[in-house]
Amino acid sequence: DTGVSQNPRHKITKRGQNVTFRCDPISEHNRLYWYRQTLGQGPEFLTYFQNEAQLEKSRLLSDRFSAERPKGSFSTLEIQRTEQGDSAMYLCASSLGDRTSTDTQYFGPGTRLTVL
Amino acid sequence: SQQGEEDPQALSIQEGENATMNCSYKTSINNLQWYRQNSGRGLVHLILIRSNEREKHSGRLRVTLDTSKKSSSLLITASRAADTASYFCAWGAGSYQLTFGKGTKLSVIP
Repeated sequence: DTGVSQNPRHKITKRGQNVTFRCDPISEHNRLYWYRQTLGQGPEFLTYFQNEAQLEKSRLLSDRFSAERPKGSFSTLEIQRTEQGDSAMYLCASSLGDRTSTDTQYFGPGTRLTVL
Repeated sequence: SQQGEEDPQALSIQEGENATMNCSYKTSINNLQWYRQNSGRGLVHLILIRSNEREKHSGRLRVTLDTSKKSSSLLITASRAADTASYFCAWGAGSYQLTFGKGTKLSVIP
């Protein structure tokens, strides 16, 4: 399967713990995005990478959140000192990036985080 | 925060009927995309329509875009039970991120 993959698929943690999620984009895609989705809502943008450079960050991305994309391949999203409000589905997407505007984004299956 | 609406929030139809979902947004856009999401899973891209296009077809899907009214509609013809899912519109407006609507939950009854 050459789609976007995310690991783990589910994560249950206690409040105050740190968690890290991984996203492997489609191999030839140079743009990578992170979104967060809560129950009954549409996804909300968190951050975006063009190759290894993090070019946009949402105000939703507090200082407890950090994302990296070393070497422009896979990406990690870390949440430090988790809070119950962080419970959500974290979605990763990638796109080819062959246009100067928004292009088709392909989403992974998501990581569902539950903070107890 | 999201900057648009979708209606209806929920739609229940019989198999074989057509389903229409509407999306409104508030900014100028460069394109609008529709996605499907099965319960608790990732999003599947359905169709992209550019701001200079008015209508686009893909199989049983028909999307229209009216930039003067800042609205789009998704029509699914001859619905099937497998079409049961949540449908989201999303638009790009000057940057590479997508802004999503709240979605329409479609139930197709066999």
